[in-house]
Amino acid sequence: KQEVTQIPAALSVPEGENLVLNCSFTDSAIYNLQWFRQDPGKGLTSLLLIQSSQREQTSGRLNASLDKSSGRSTLYIAASQPGDSATYLCAVPNSGNTPLVFGKGTRLSVIA
Amino acid sequence: EAQVTQNPRYLITVTGKKLTVTCSQNMNHEYMSWYRQDPGLGLRQIYYSMNVEVTDKGDVPEGYKVSRKEKRNFPLILESPSPNQTSLYFCASSPGFTRGYTFGSGTRLTVV
Repeated sequence: KQEVTQIPAALSVPEGENLVLNCSFTDSAIYNLQWFRQDPGKGLTSLLLIQSSQREQTSGRLNASLDKSSGRSTLYIAASQPGDSATYLCAVPNSGNTPLVFGKGTRLSVIA
Repeated sequence: EAQVTQNPRYLITVTGKKLTVTCSQNMNHEYMSWYRQDPGLGLRQIYYSMNVEVTDKGDVPEGYKVSRKEKRNFPLILESPSPNQTSLYFCASSPGFTRGYTFGSGTRLTVV
């Protein structure tokens, strides 16, 4: 059964710093991997979706990479801002077309 | 606007009183699913549906029921709620297993 781990669980950085969030998964037979952002008590906002055939996806200051063979993904945030403070979640389908298995998230604080 | 709509956003109820949390999507998506989010446990799958009249159990289905009579709606039913079902619930939909998921804003349920 698929398991997803995110490291670190929490991260605090000064504004302007570049940072990397890590996600690993145990079953590399995935179709895609999705990164989400969640503000406290709020819903999940999709940030990036990487298909299994892709190595990277970019959106603005965010860049996500996927290494399926090693079961890893990273989310790179450039020039962090206080508005980036949130919990970041990665998720993969459990198998084929079933719903998502989530990591427990990385809680990011960007200090002005 | 393309979205997943959950109602209600907040609900306080008493043990044993049947309740339904509604979920509706306007994107003609085939896949719909329910998750619960608890501190320290993260997001866990409750039930999912790959099409009308097709539903299946996720990781924590005990105490819940679902139905998928129409493509757009996927209600979550708690026949006899108990305090351990106090949680933040999310509904999500996707056009297919190679595509990403869109999440609703969440329903915060408290069972006393």
